[in-house]
Amino acid sequence: QQQVKQSPQSLIVQKGGISIINCAYENTAFDYFPWYQQFPGKGPALLIAIRPDVSEKKEGRFTISFNKSAKQFSLHIMDSQPGDSATYFCAASGSSGSARQLTFGSGTQLTVLP
Amino acid sequence: DTGVSQNPRHKITKRGQNVTFRCDPISEHNRLYWYRQTLGQGPEFLTYFQNEAQLEKSRLLSDRFSAERPKGSFSTLEIQRTEQGDSAMYLCASSFSVDEQYFGPGTRLTVT
Repeated sequence: QQQVKQSPQSLIVQKGGISIINCAYENTAFDYFPWYQQFPGKGPALLIAIRPDVSEKKEGRFTISFNKSAKQFSLHIMDSQPGDSATYFCAASGSSGSARQLTFGSGTQLTVLP
Repeated sequence: DTGVSQNPRHKITKRGQNVTFRCDPISEHNRLYWYRQTLGQGPEFLTYFQNEAQLEKSRLLSDRFSAERPKGSFSTLEIQRTEQGDSAMYLCASSFSVDEQYFGPGTRLTVT
């Protein structure tokens, strides 16, 4: 099964708060887990990504936590800002020949209140 | 801007017409992907090129859809005999490494 399940569907946080988005996958062949940010009318932009050999990766205010045994990973946005208001997608991919076909979650619409 | 570009950005067509979209990847990227995104959903993989070779196609890519990348640079996606269910955002992505895919702004297709 190629599905990636993402929650919550929508999230509202206050400025300065922590935003947490969760994803779960089923296919144990997945070995690359990126997060994308998408603003209305724009294409998805790569935010941060992780491989299963590490449990956490941090870039600025964005952190991915990865739990291989539970087949779950999450995005934490620290000190959330109104400019972070966007739709966030988790994704996963695994080797398929030389391709990296991304399977996306259904998205989380984040609203950060000023 | 040296990112992925897509043209046109918007296309409105009548049911039954053919449409063609173009994607220009980042210049040094040899891998190119097409995805389709419907409202409120994540992108779904359609097809993948490495250089000019089309290496993978999703079962979502019916026989009305065809994609080409003739010289290993830009790519086109054609939809023949469009249906209302084809209305979506068509996204192109490119990559140099096998992992990091960079997306263009998309072409929004509306079939009336």
